[in-house]
Amino acid sequence: GDSVTQTEGQVTVSESKSLIINCTYSATSIGYPNLFWYVRYPGEGLQLLLKVITAGQKGSSRGFEATYNKEATSFHLQKASVQESDSAVYYCALSATSSGQKLVFGQGTILKVYL
Amino acid sequence: AQTIHQWPVAEIKAVGSPLSLGCTIKGKSSPNLYWYWQATGGTLQQLFYSITVGQVESVVQLNLSASRPKDDQFILSTEKLLLSHSGFYLCAWSLGRTSAETLYFGSGTRLTVL
Repeated sequence: GDSVTQTEGQVTVSESKSLIINCTYSATSIGYPNLFWYVRYPGEGLQLLLKVITAGQKGSSRGFEATYNKEATSFHLQKASVQESDSAVYYCALSATSSGQKLVFGQGTILKVYL
Repeated sequence: AQTIHQWPVAEIKAVGSPLSLGCTIKGKSSPNLYWYWQATGGTLQQLFYSITVGQVESVVQLNLSASRPKDDQFILSTEKLLLSHSGFYLCAWSLGRTSAETLYFGSGTRLTVL
């Protein structure tokens, strides 16, 4: 079946430093999957951060970027300069074009940004 | 504006007791509705989805059931809770039928089964 792997359970970064949260996926369905990053800020519900539905394209939102790399089957989340307000739990997810709107999530990565 | 409300916020229940969790979506007509579950330390898994009133599809078997009695309401329930039911339950909605649709999530219900 389809799967998403986030290798880091927690990442701690100093404010203004750069960030990469790793995400790789495996999709057994025919065609390329749609890829998403969802985020849950403290005290808030899970919400979409960005999505990319075309292989090779880049998505961006709130200073974060992620590029759909179909060769490496990766969708890493990056930010050049993090802020304390970016502290949250980040989930990588995919949906296969053949399975409707079933989102398959990674384990999530807790991001802690300190001053 | 669309709103999604889940209730209760948290529950502590005994093994073998019944459970009912609810979700209401306001401001959207005929949304697709979903239940997701996350065990402590686990990943979010889709449990059920519904594209119309009275129709619910099961995705993962966990001795739970779901119903959609009204267009804007989605209920998750069981007659006998197991310890393994503990975790975080999320309701979500979307509008379109494609796999690229964004899902909009509620704030969730934290369930502890003792």
